[in-house]
Amino acid sequence: ETGVTQTPRHLVMGMTNKKSLKCEQHLGHNAMYWYKQSAKKPLELMFVYNFKEQTENNSVPSRFSPECPNSSHLFLHLHTLQPEDSALYLCASSQATGGWYEQYFGPGTRLTVT
Amino acid sequence: AQSVTQLGSHVSVSEGALVLLRCNYSSSVPPYLFWYVQYPNQGLQLLLKYTTGATLVKGINGFEAEFKKSETSFHLTKPSAHMSDAAEYFCAVSEPGNNDMRFGAGTRLTVKP
Repeated sequence: ETGVTQTPRHLVMGMTNKKSLKCEQHLGHNAMYWYKQSAKKPLELMFVYNFKEQTENNSVPSRFSPECPNSSHLFLHLHTLQPEDSALYLCASSQATGGWYEQYFGPGTRLTVT
Repeated sequence: AQSVTQLGSHVSVSEGALVLLRCNYSSSVPPYLFWYVQYPNQGLQLLLKYTTGATLVKGINGFEAEFKKSETSFHLTKPSAHMSDAAEYFCAVSEPGNNDMRFGAGTRLTVKP
């Protein structure tokens, strides 16, 4: 595997379910990000991890819970979601944080909440 | 906080014509600027970036962008559009020491044969 991979690519879940999204980067980067992409809206940064430590949480509801066990893996745990949470969830990584470094994106997980 | 405005949510050009996608930014400090492209069912891919130095930046697939501080702009151009350029394009801005890269709403480029 190369670059940034995400699984699953598609997920349909009910409002009472619990599921997790997985992201893995094979680039040797130290920073990882979760973004939400909704139709006709700019990408929304959700969380930032740098060297496994969470450095940003952009007022994300607690029904989204991130986990970063090491610099290569990032999870997004989902529970009791709402229909408005349906979106494309993108994971990205960069060599480091601080604005200078470009981010490398995975293909995303298309989430539908029913 | 920094922000980006992309003028035109949808741009349509003929194959072989000039591509011009507009991006204006707002930042309290000298910004870092990026253009990304997203093809259907894929993540974002970096086209080019400006950090410091030369204001005309060349990227992949024949695209280039010019940083104009006086106009707070970073427009993306390509002299001759190809069918394979059809995609969504995102302008983004970040600031030194800031983890928060802000993206524009995107511009969908359609290329007509």
